[in-house]
Amino acid sequence: GAGVSQSPSNKVTEKGKDVELRCDPISGHTALYWYRQSLGQGLEFLIYFQGNSAPDKSGLPSDRFSAERTGGSVSTLTIQRTQQEDSAVYLCASSLSERNTGELFFGEGSRLTVL
Amino acid sequence: QKEVEQNSGPLSVPEGAIASLNCTYSDRGSQSFFWYRQYSGKSPELIMFIYSNGDKEDGRFTAQLNKASQYVSLLIRDSQPSDSATYLCAVSNQAGTALIFGKGTTLSVSS
Repeated sequence: GAGVSQSPSNKVTEKGKDVELRCDPISGHTALYWYRQSLGQGLEFLIYFQGNSAPDKSGLPSDRFSAERTGGSVSTLTIQRTQQEDSAVYLCASSLSERNTGELFFGEGSRLTVL
Repeated sequence: QKEVEQNSGPLSVPEGAIASLNCTYSDRGSQSFFWYRQYSGKSPELIMFIYSNGDKEDGRFTAQLNKASQYVSLLIRDSQPSDSATYLCAVSNQAGTALIFGKGTTLSVSS
């Protein structure tokens, strides 16, 4: 596609439910990142993929959070047993460049609201 | 914990003035430095990147880097109302596996 595509754009769920957020990066981009942004806060790094492997998952806040990437393309971020503090905009970004030497292209984000 | 610090603002400047945005970072091993702009309700987009000490100019924007002082700045000349946005400073970690973002400085340019 022309840009990074994320779905769903909005998700409202009840506390304790599991959610899956999807990211389809720009074709050919080997690097993929997940961030989250809470109201009035900066972007919080969650995980970095290079191809299908995740050399840095240090930003995942708890073991309720997991992510995978298949075929060097689509990535899914899964949040189990959601809590109200998980409410945020989850942003995916992709890049042609390894090791943060190039531009990150961001998707429009998935806004998660946990009631 | 590696950190990137920015004044939250708001920074208010009149149209045509120079806006100066500042950022400090804690990871001495950082090699890549970026400024992103984020309009309200939108995703961040890259404005400038800089890797070496000194100044880098691109149109109305100038990025400045001082690694010894762990300081990055962005100057916007001839500020326009359309420049009103939140500006995010981002710094690579030493491993090059993550961009660490500051919380951003909100700029308001009045006409």
